[in-house]
Amino acid sequence: DADVTQTPRNRITKTGKRIMLECSQTKGHDRMYWYRQDPGLGLRLIYYSFDVKDINKGEISDGYSVSRQAQAKFSLSLESAIPNQTALYFCATSDPEELPTDTQYFGPGTRLTVL
Amino acid sequence: AQSVTQLGSHVSVSEGALVLLRCNYSSSVPPYLFWYVQYPNQGLQLLLKYTTGATLVKGINGFEAEFKKSETSFHLTKPSAHMSDAAEYFCAVSNTGNQFYFGTGTSLTVIP
Repeated sequence: DADVTQTPRNRITKTGKRIMLECSQTKGHDRMYWYRQDPGLGLRLIYYSFDVKDINKGEISDGYSVSRQAQAKFSLSLESAIPNQTALYFCATSDPEELPTDTQYFGPGTRLTVL
Repeated sequence: AQSVTQLGSHVSVSEGALVLLRCNYSSSVPPYLFWYVQYPNQGLQLLLKYTTGATLVKGINGFEAEFKKSETSFHLTKPSAHMSDAAEYFCAVSNTGNQFYFGTGTSLTVIP
């Protein structure tokens, strides 16, 4: 079984709809991240969480919110989706015992299309 | 501030030829450097990483990279390309352990 799972894997929605992307991990890592990937732009950090009570904005947090329900679960929400949020979204984890390198371990991604 | 530049968004090589994917970084402190590979419809997989010590780092699938501080580079190489190496490759840098910075990626095509 995969260590980092994301649901759904694909989603098509309409402008203005609320969407939640979910991430679960069995690696036992405290740190979790959400990135979006756009062609030609690489990966950009949306939010990150170092433990259940710690949530931090990343480079491009506007239009997104997150919830860290447990050590193993980190959800990303789009309160009112817009077309330029069409992208591939990745969840990642890292192990603080691997500091200072903070090596990232990625899920398989969620392809989101906003019409 | 940190940043990563990958020269060449697309690289094509013949099967059996040398693979060279370029990565330059900027960092105010000694960096930790990474290469990730993304196969179609999959997430990113760690290829290799440089932390400290030996500047030539060996990774999975026959890839290696050399950290050159004087050139602020961390280029990825493989002596002989295989068809299965076709993928997108990302260079990344971290130094404080708080955030990663990714390059924009290089798509590698292997020609039979």
